Amino acid sequence: GQQVMQIPQYQHVQEGEDFTTYCNSSTTLSNIQWYKQRPGGHPVFLIQLVKSGEVKKQKRLTFQFGEAKKNSSLHITATQTTDVGTYFCAGGDDKIIFGKGTRLHILP
Amino acid sequence: DAGVIQSPRHEVTEMGQEVTLRCKPISGHDYLFWYRQTMMRGLELLIYFNNNVPIDDSGMPEDRFSAKMPNASFSTLKIQPSEPRDSAVYFCASSLGHVSEAFFGQGTRLTVV
Repeated sequence: GQQVMQIPQYQHVQEGEDFTTYCNSSTTLSNIQWYKQRPGGHPVFLIQLVKSGEVKKQKRLTFQFGEAKKNSSLHITATQTTDVGTYFCAGGDDKIIFGKGTRLHILP
Repeated sequence: DAGVIQSPRHEVTEMGQEVTLRCKPISGHDYLFWYRQTMMRGLELLIYFNNNVPIDDSGMPEDRFSAKMPNASFSTLKIQPSEPRDSAVYFCASSLGHVSEAFFGQGTRLTVV
């Protein structure tokens, strides 16, 4: 069945450093979504990418969808303590499959 | 709209007991999803409904799990009998389309002892 894989599983960065998480699918995706889950919270939708090679920005967050629509990345510039949480990618055609997520920990 | 509402927020039960989790989706959303989250397995899709009809229940672990959606504003996920390995956070989510932005509830943290 379809799988969505994410790396790394964990990431510790100093506050102010950049952070990137990568998502790969075993099949071509019609779209990719990104969610953020704060510790103890629930997943919250960040963005959806649909087009091949698409790049979208939200303040310090940059999202990319690969040309083949099988991979995606989320890059955070100059991390802040408010960025702490787990970032999930999710994709699928008939149903949304979530990756295992990347847990971001910020060192002060 | 208050968002997706789940109850209870926390549930502690003894092994063998029946557990019922409840969800009220956002009004107007045609799709409802039940997810289970554990450290080991991440966020797993258990089942989803479209217009109150179950579409895909391939993620339901076993016959002990059942889900219903009697109307557009209410769904239940039942575990009978419950086992310690069912301990997890169960999320309900709703969306306008099956691959549209999903809105999650606060989740139910289930502990089976």
